[in-house]
Amino acid sequence: AQRVTQPEKLLSVFKGAPVELKCNYSYSGSPELFWYVQYSRQRLQLLLRHISRESIKGFTADLNKGETSFHLKKPFAQEEDSAMYYCALRNYNQGGKLIFGQGTELSVKP
Amino acid sequence: DAGVTQSPTHLIKTRGQQVTLRCSPISGHKSVSWYQQVLGQGPQFIFQYYEKEERGRGNFPDRFSARQFPNYSSELNVNALLLGDSALYLCASSSTLTGEGYTFGSGTRLTVV
Repeated sequence: AQRVTQPEKLLSVFKGAPVELKCNYSYSGSPELFWYVQYSRQRLQLLLRHISRESIKGFTADLNKGETSFHLKKPFAQEEDSAMYYCALRNYNQGGKLIFGQGTELSVKP
Repeated sequence: DAGVTQSPTHLIKTRGQQVTLRCSPISGHKSVSWYQQVLGQGPQFIFQYYEKEERGRGNFPDRFSARQFPNYSSELNVNALLLGDSALYLCASSSTLTGEGYTFGSGTRLTVV
């Protein structure tokens, strides 16, 4: 079964510290992985996708098929990074269906 | 463009009642998907419609149904409401079937009492 696991419900770091939000997945075939972010009182929005291999707001994520992971990283956390982060997997067999993890709340303290 | 708009924003219903939630996609987007987000969990896929046809259905009972209109707006209907249906219902639109560039609405908060 396809599944996305985010082991940490809450991650608390100090400003300027490195951040790594973990995401592991189970999927048969070639998955497409995403990170979505939801800032306080805002809509869920796409942060980045593995296919584009880009860095958004200083965040990067590398798909590791051997470890079935797609961890989100940022070298120096900022207070404005505080938000809810969701890892998601797209199921090619069902159009645009996204399978989300439970989410990790990132809190960046001053 | 107002983005993806959902109505109503909040709703309180009694067990056993029926509810209809509405979604207007971004202009030009032909795909609409519905997700249920229970407190403390990630969104869970309910339906996807593309060009007015159902293209995907999640693991939800038949009490849940949806449709897409010629203008690509969509409705989600839930019959015989249960307490466990209390959740935030999200709508997402995309220009493609595969969902690149999904844009989410703010959601409808449904409370069943």
